[in-house]
Amino acid sequence: DVKVTQSSRYLVKRTGEKVFLECVQDMDHENMFWYRQDPGLGLRLIYFSYDVKMKEKGDIPEGYSVSREKKERFSLILESASTNQTSMYLCASSLEGAQGHYGYTFGSGTRLTVV
Amino acid sequence: RKEVEQDPGPFNVPEGATVAFNCTYSNSASQSFFWYRQDCRKEPKLLMSVYSSGNEDGRFTAQLNRASQYISLLIRDSKLSDSATYLCVPNNAGNMLTFGGGTRLMVKP
Repeated sequence: DVKVTQSSRYLVKRTGEKVFLECVQDMDHENMFWYRQDPGLGLRLIYFSYDVKMKEKGDIPEGYSVSREKKERFSLILESASTNQTSMYLCASSLEGAQGHYGYTFGSGTRLTVV
Repeated sequence: RKEVEQDPGPFNVPEGATVAFNCTYSNSASQSFFWYRQDCRKEPKLLMSVYSSGNEDGRFTAQLNRASQYISLLIRDSKLSDSATYLCVPNNAGNMLTFGGGTRLMVKP
């Protein structure tokens, strides 16, 4: 089975800190994604990447950046954490064929609290 | 119109009941679909892929109605462990997956 590993399950950070969320997948998937999930708002796409060193903005990229230096690793960076970035962050990876994705596999999530 | 619409529920059903919920989608070009299951405070997990008119896996049946642009998920003989949120996801080639807000199911003893 594909495994997607997020480095931390719970994080507490202070306002203004630079925060790094790491995600690693072990099945050589081209595509990787970062979502945040908030009650009543569902899953919202922050950034995604189709290949090494490639990144694309999702629906809510403001306040975030990403890095993909190696195929298996996709990092989400909060440049200056704010309380409205308190959320559950989910990383996912996928393989894509001619008919679309073969489904996403998610990591177990990082619950970030900014105080 | 939202790309994916689901009744948020909750659907409260007794153990052993059959329950069905629908998902409507706006992109008529969607070729296939996924149903994901998400437990409280956990990540979504792929429950079922639907590539043609439907799919069946044990107690779970997904049916696709392309003319009306909806997909349904039927759960027979509900178990307590089926309590979760079910996310409908159209799969459009070359595009991102767009997740519905989910339908919450609560199975009661």
